[in-house]
Amino acid sequence: KNQVEQSPQSLIILEGKNCTLQCNYTVSPFSNLRWYKQDTGRGPVSLTIMTFSENTKSNGRYTATLDADTKQSSLHITASQLSDSASYICVVSPSGTYKYIFGTGTRLKVLA
Amino acid sequence: GAVVSQHPSWVICKSGTSVKIECRSLDFQATTMFWYRQFPKQSLMLMATSNEGSKATYEQGVEKDKFLINHASLTLSTLTVTSAHPEDSSFYICSARDLPTGGSEQYFGPGTRLTVT
Repeated sequence: KNQVEQSPQSLIILEGKNCTLQCNYTVSPFSNLRWYKQDTGRGPVSLTIMTFSENTKSNGRYTATLDADTKQSSLHITASQLSDSASYICVVSPSGTYKYIFGTGTRLKVLA
Repeated sequence: GAVVSQHPSWVICKSGTSVKIECRSLDFQATTMFWYRQFPKQSLMLMATSNEGSKATYEQGVEKDKFLINHASLTLSTLTVTSAHPEDSSFYICSARDLPTGGSEQYFGPGTRLTVT
């Protein structure tokens, strides 16, 4: 069964600190792995998109890595800001389909 | 570019009534639109996929007679929750895809909060 698991479920950090969110998936083969940021009461917004052949992708303070051998991805947030408080969702697209398989999400709270 | 809007952003309705949610692609033609439901502290769950001009494909466990989806144009899809009940209260999110130019990328709307009293 195609699954996408994320950890931790929730995380609290102080402003300015770095953090890393994890995503483990069983989807195989897959075409793309995406990380989204979802503010409370809003739709998801794309942060990074990686194909199965990419190892890393950055978007400002967000850096995603992908290890297709171990089926793991991580999202590293550098110098966190209060506005980073949101849910972060890992999404994997199986090859040959248009569907998105959503991860369970990590709720991040950044404190002043 | 690739902006998707939803209307209304929130709605409160009484049990037994129907409510319609609109999803529009503002600057591209959406050959396919997706409807998701999200309960508190949970991730998005796909309800149905609709292609312009054809009937929607519903995911297992989603009642097609309860959640009516219409995708009559390349920029508009609607989700009608019929005979709503309190358990239908949720956050409904649509996404749109323009296959010819955007590939598999889905662009998400801001969501609609439905509360059934």
